[in-house]
Amino acid sequence: DSGVTQTPKHLITATGQRVTLRCSPRSGDLSVYWYQQSLDQGLQFLIQYYNGEERAKGNILERFSAQQFPDLHSELNLSSLELGDSALYFCASSVGTVISGNTIYFGEGSWLTVV
Amino acid sequence: SQQGEEDPQALSIQEGENATMNCSYKTSINNLQWYRQNSGRGLVHLILIRSNEREKHSGRLRVTLDTSKKSSSLLITASRAADTASYFCATVQISSGSARQLTFGSGTQLTVLP
Repeated sequence: DSGVTQTPKHLITATGQRVTLRCSPRSGDLSVYWYQQSLDQGLQFLIQYYNGEERAKGNILERFSAQQFPDLHSELNLSSLELGDSALYFCASSVGTVISGNTIYFGEGSWLTVV
Repeated sequence: SQQGEEDPQALSIQEGENATMNCSYKTSINNLQWYRQNSGRGLVHLILIRSNEREKHSGRLRVTLDTSKKSSSLLITASRAADTASYFCATVQISSGSARQLTFGSGTQLTVLP
């Protein structure tokens, strides 16, 4: 158990809908990362927050947004869903940043299926 | 885009044998990390090697880094069936913005046969 909690574990939704994925980082970790894993794209970095502020953006679509709350939990909002958004979405956390050599710890992921 | 590429894409060995996976990357890095993923599960950090290090060990794992060739290898000795998983290398580039994040390769699927 990494200590990173993600909910829901699985969800199935229709195209055009909106979903929210939730992440609770490890106790004491200030950085939260979101990754998307799909068969065709592999593991793609989406976005990072550090202590409530956006720190870096990766390949995140404009239809997606995220935030980190004062209690450090984070949410990833996916809207106007398309079939191609079906993937495993991971949240990860670390004390500091990866450039400093900090290990990041991954949650078990949220499986999203868009039908 | 993916910074690291693992080789081979799939590897099947007998229990007790050693498994070697290679990773090549394109740009200068701050550090390189190896992760393991059991099917459909979260990624588990295995080992981190910094750009000024050449070799690190952790239990049955040995990682080497050759920055001149922009490559790394992960050796698992005396493999067990429980080592069956996908293994990913991930790099942190010496750059700015989103590049200073973990960028994962495409992974090697290791199967250890009992």
